[in-house]
Amino acid sequence: AQSVAQPEDQVNVAEGNPLTVKCTYSVSGNPYLFWYVQYPNRGLQFLLKYITGDNLVKGSYGFEAEFNKSQTSFHLKKPSALVSDSALYFCAVRFTTDSWGKLQFGAGTQVVVTP
Amino acid sequence: GAGVSQTPSNKVTEKGKYVELRCDPISGHTALYWYRQSLGQGPEFLIYFQGTGAADDSGLPNDRFFAVRPEGSVSTLKIQRTERGDSAVYLCASSIDSTNEQFFGPGTRLTVL
Repeated sequence: AQSVAQPEDQVNVAEGNPLTVKCTYSVSGNPYLFWYVQYPNRGLQFLLKYITGDNLVKGSYGFEAEFNKSQTSFHLKKPSALVSDSALYFCAVRFTTDSWGKLQFGAGTQVVVTP
Repeated sequence: GAGVSQTPSNKVTEKGKYVELRCDPISGHTALYWYRQSLGQGPEFLIYFQGTGAADDSGLPNDRFFAVRPEGSVSTLKIQRTERGDSAVYLCASSIDSTNEQFFGPGTRLTVL
């Protein structure tokens, strides 16, 4: 069965320190991978995606993610976290065996950045 | 506005009642998706429209749920005989086509008492 996992319910980091949010997937074939962020009482905001090409993808607000095919991972990273990065982050996968583009989301990781 | 809008933002209803949730996608986006997000979980796919037709409704939990998009723009998610387990945030997303990123609306929080 195809799946996506975010192994950490919460990540705590001090402002200015590097931030990493983990995502792994299980799939046959090559997936499309996405990261979204959700602020309280707001919809999901698109951060970045990997379709093909360079394994390091740069996105909005200084975030980047690295696609690692051998480890089936797509971890989200930011070199220097801000307090305003505190939010709920979702990894999502579109399986290329699916023609219609529906996304399968992880359970989410709450990021808490302390001053 | 340039984004996806959803109305109402909150809906409280009683068990057994009928509800309609509306989604206005970004202009020109042909692909429209409905997801449901329960507390502490990621969004779960419900249904996908390409134009006016429901191309994939495999995520609808049962026949109490139905959605339409009659003119290829606005979509309405309809829930009959609501149950307490239907309480969740219902999210709508649109995309220029099925291969690109989806843009989400703020959601409708449905509470069934």
